[in-house]
Amino acid sequence: QVQLQQWGAGLLKPSETLSLTCAVNGGSFSGYDWSWIRQPPNQGLEWIGEITHSGSTNYNPSLKSRVTISADTSKNRFSLKLTSVTAADTALYYCARVIRRRLGVAGTLYYYGMDVWGQGATVTVSS
Amino acid sequence: EIVLTQSPGTLSLSPGERATLSCRASQSVSSIYLAWYQQKPGQAPRLLIYGATSRATGIPDRFSGSGSGTDFTLTINRLEPEDFAVYYCQQYGTSPPCTFGQGTKLEIK
Repeated sequence: QVQLQQWGAGLLKPSETLSLTCAVNGGSFSGYDWSWIRQPPNQGLEWIGEITHSGSTNYNPSLKSRVTISADTSKNRFSLKLTSVTAADTALYYCARVIRRRLGVAGTLYYYGMDVWGQGATVTVSS
Repeated sequence: EIVLTQSPGTLSLSPGERATLSCRASQSVSSIYLAWYQQKPGQAPRLLIYGATSRATGIPDRFSGSGSGTDFTLTINRLEPEDFAVYYCQQYGTSPPCTFGQGTKLEIK
């Protein structure tokens, strides 16, 4: 059974860089897309970005200038870096597996959801 | 960016009743890109529905999804005590960003 284990620094000062890593255990890393999502205290979910099975990345435009998502396929893990953090970046950060498949003659891209999630990592930004 | 608006914000029902949760998109969303999640306190979200109508693995058949275009619905029949949680809709199309609705809290009446 696939599990995602995530870790990283939990307390940051303004202007520092947030760094989190998510390891894929018990399953394949290749062939899947991987996302980061965050949830500020008592708020909803915000998509941060993704790295696809081909290594391309897509980011939320609201964070794009500060975000980098990368993958180390040899270690079955992917990472998030968010620069110049402020108190607004305080949140519970999740990693998740994204299932997409191209089907049919036309190769339509179907989305099957984020089916596996990490346990979450709390990041607090405070001076 | 596609904005998803969920209603109601809070839904108060009793076990055994039916819950109907709405998700309205600011522009048309292909059904193949619409998903629903359940989140309980202290837990990560859990995938319930993908492709607007397909139940994820292990999801009871009292959960069902419907809709198309800009209006989607999650229906939970015969509410069980463990169903009281926050529910999010999500669209994850071919163009970023992926977006979530703001959530509907289903609470025990």
